Amino acid sequence: EPEVTQTPSHQVTQMGQEVILRCVPISNHLYFYWYRQILGQKVEFLVSFYNNEISEKSEIFDDQFSVERPDGSNFTLKIRSTKLEDSAMYFCASSFDSDGYTFGSGTRLTVV
Amino acid sequence: GENVEQHPSTLSVQEGDSAVIKCTYSDSASNYFPWYKQELGKGPQLIIDIRSNVGEKKDQRIAVTLNKTAKHFSLHITETQPEDSAVYFCAAMRGTYKYIFGTGTRLKVLA
Repeated sequence: EPEVTQTPSHQVTQMGQEVILRCVPISNHLYFYWYRQILGQKVEFLVSFYNNEISEKSEIFDDQFSVERPDGSNFTLKIRSTKLEDSAMYFCASSFDSDGYTFGSGTRLTVV
Repeated sequence: GENVEQHPSTLSVQEGDSAVIKCTYSDSASNYFPWYKQELGKGPQLIIDIRSNVGEKKDQRIAVTLNKTAKHFSLHITETQPEDSAVYFCAAMRGTYKYIFGTGTRLKVLA
């Protein structure tokens, strides 16, 4: 069964550093998403991406965040200057149409 | 604003019994309602979904019901097994791009 692949599985970074989280969505999917989950809390929407542009973003997704689909297969989330409160699991997801997402296994980001 | 409430937060059942998890959504324009199962260390996995033009959907031991008037939907798992133990999230989608997730239910199936 096709999978969404995320790397790395765990990233530790110093506060103020930039991080890039990487995702390879399912190849024929058209919609791409990033969500995050702070430990023990619910999954929160960050951003959706379609047709090479952001479709929608949440209030969490401020100027410190950006997304990119650099080469037609990867989908990245960049956090420019990490804060302690950015520590969370970050999930990438993709879908062929607007529903029925497939999620990746996540990247655990720890900011120290 | 958009909100999805989910109850209970934890649920313990004996193996073979049924489990029911309930969600209520606030946005009447929501039109698609997926349920996800999340096992420890893994991403959420879609287990069943329902659209707003359908009242009930069943897939083997799992069923989902939707009451549009009351704006609530429920997940029903029958004949529970230990491998059903996980965290379950409901979600509501409005428009094209965004899910609003519930707060999750930790289901424990006791052998």
